[in-house]
Amino acid sequence: GENVEQHPSTLSVQEGDSAVIKCTYSDSASNYFPWYKQELGKGPQLIIDIRSNVGEKKDQRIAVTLNKTAKHFSLHITETQPEDSAVYFCAASHGRGADGLTFGKGTHLIIQP
Amino acid sequence: NAGVTQTPKFQVLKTGQSMTLQCAQDMNHNSMYWYRQDPGMGLRLIYYSASEGTTDKGEVPNGYNVSRLNKREFSLRLESAAPSQTSVYFCASSPSAGGATQYFGPGTRLLVL
Repeated sequence: GENVEQHPSTLSVQEGDSAVIKCTYSDSASNYFPWYKQELGKGPQLIIDIRSNVGEKKDQRIAVTLNKTAKHFSLHITETQPEDSAVYFCAASHGRGADGLTFGKGTHLIIQP
Repeated sequence: NAGVTQTPKFQVLKTGQSMTLQCAQDMNHNSMYWYRQDPGMGLRLIYYSASEGTTDKGEVPNGYNVSRLNKREFSLRLESAAPSQTSVYFCASSPSAGGATQYFGPGTRLLVL
């Protein structure tokens, strides 16, 4: 089955700096890669996703890049703000049937004031 | 529009007791999922339902059963709870099977003593 590795497990950046979280996946058939943000005591919330027919997608301060050849994808957050502090999860899905997402183990992003 | 709702929010069980976690969605989604989240493990799929009347095992189904009661509701049952089932349980739904955005509920925190 699919295996998703996520790094780093903890990332501390100064407010205003950029943050990058990286994930690799094992199943070359995977074609859907969402990123979720989870705040303390809440369920994961989708922040951005990308499909295998595009290499990059942006939404304001957030961007995701995908390299299908190398089987890795990354989340980029620019001009970080205190409200960006949370746990971020990457995930992958091959889109066959109705099976669920395979998640990375998460990155705890800490924005230092 | 409530999205995905879960009950209860928190539950304490003794080893061997049974209970059912309830999940409902009001977005007319076809597919529903149950995940568990443990520290350092990310989210792992327990069971999923592609559509009303169908259910399938995910990565960690042992010790659980599910029922897709109708299109809106998907319940998770622990027949004989064990301490290893102490976790946070999330229900999710998506419009269609495979590669569709999943929307998560707020979670149920379960402690098995």
